[in-house]
Amino acid sequence: DAKTTQPNSMESNEEEPVHLPCNHSTISGTDYIHWYRQLPSQGPEYVIHGLTSNVNNRMASLAIAEDRKSSTLILHRATLRDAAVYYCIRGRYGGSQGNLIFGKGTKLSVKP
Amino acid sequence: DTGVSQNPRHKITKRGQNVTFRCDPISEHNRLYWYRQTLGQGPEFLTYFQNEAQLEKSRLLSDRFSAERPKGSFSTLEIQRTEQGDSAMYLCASSSGTLAGDTQYFGPGTRLTVL
Repeated sequence: DAKTTQPNSMESNEEEPVHLPCNHSTISGTDYIHWYRQLPSQGPEYVIHGLTSNVNNRMASLAIAEDRKSSTLILHRATLRDAAVYYCIRGRYGGSQGNLIFGKGTKLSVKP
Repeated sequence: DTGVSQNPRHKITKRGQNVTFRCDPISEHNRLYWYRQTLGQGPEFLTYFQNEAQLEKSRLLSDRFSAERPKGSFSTLEIQRTEQGDSAMYLCASSSGTLAGDTQYFGPGTRLTVL
């Protein structure tokens, strides 16, 4: 049970921002929100993670709703290399619960 | 390159044969994970090591599957008496296991085809 809900697919134009939504309405107070992406024929790649506050890194931004029941991954300027499946995952750090539970993710297509 | 490496990248075998995959994690990462991914699905967790100790196993890991991580370094995943349903991409990941941020770094995977 992935316990997150994402659209199956989204399209974007190159150079435009992309907002990838994720619902995690049953998230607990100690669950982090992780985003990974998987390019064709590659293993998943870490994108970003957060707990309560919005987060920025060189790849993307993560906007987390105040009630933490949803989040949005923001790619500020999509490139053709951003075409991938994006996974939103809730998970805990520490202890023995280290595995990630992936859903089907959102397949992002980027048009030139 | 100091990323996670997996060998072989591709393996074709006949039903009933045994296969073994190897994963070399990022050095000094004490956590190592195995996942399986079938076409159109996200990766599914199989098992997880903290150093040399296998701490968690998924129900997907039938008794035909065995994983080891001797000395807490590289890991092997063996599948005995392979079945066509075992055809999948087998992914390995490693992490440092720190509480502050346990990002998992994935290898390129081993694609298994069982004929």
